[in-house]
Amino acid sequence: DTGVSQNPRHKITKRGQNVTFRCDPISEHNRLYWYRQTLGQGPEFLTYFQNEAQLEKSRLLSDRFSAERPKGSFSTLEIQRTEQGDSAMYLCASSLTRRGNTIYFGEGSWLTVV
Amino acid sequence: GQQVMQIPQYQHVQEGEDFTTYCNSSTTLSNIQWYKQRPGGHPVFLIQLVKSGEVKKQKRLTFQFGEAKKNSSLHITATQTTDVGTYFCAGLLIQGAQKLVFGQGTRLTINP
Repeated sequence: DTGVSQNPRHKITKRGQNVTFRCDPISEHNRLYWYRQTLGQGPEFLTYFQNEAQLEKSRLLSDRFSAERPKGSFSTLEIQRTEQGDSAMYLCASSLTRRGNTIYFGEGSWLTVV
Repeated sequence: GQQVMQIPQYQHVQEGEDFTTYCNSSTTLSNIQWYKQRPGGHPVFLIQLVKSGEVKKQKRLTFQFGEAKKNSSLHITATQTTDVGTYFCAGLLIQGAQKLVFGQGTRLTINP
């Protein structure tokens, strides 16, 4: 079990630029989640996939955000035309429905928009 | 919308004192999961409670799930400096999509 892997771990970008984060879930986990966390708050749900299907998107996920999981394995989260309010930690998590859906988080990708 | 409320927001204790954080949901939960996040770190899974009234223990940590599956608590006996961090409860909704809804967390600091 190699755990959930995310990269890059840190990203500083100028406002208006696009950024992409990658997540590699625990192997064999069929569900993959993206959360966003700001300082002093709990993680907020953004979206989740079961295999390659994106089953739910939060209203937090504006049209500048897009997530994909093309082959049901790794996933990418792209933010277009970044804004300062996008600065946060983006957490990826995965789970296996057969095991009670315990959700395991990666170490997160910190985004700072300047 | 569905909410998970957690109290207190902060707790400062002397090393050796006990600590409890409480979690309440506005809706019935399928299960509840507890996580610990160290400063600068990511949420680390502690435990999952599924059954109504369930109680689980991990060394000095005791987790409870309410009879109505709407509330939960985490109690730490005789805190140690290694317990420092933010403790989050997260409820898995019984209806609708399979997503965890997190509480705001309780930040525990300890005076050695």
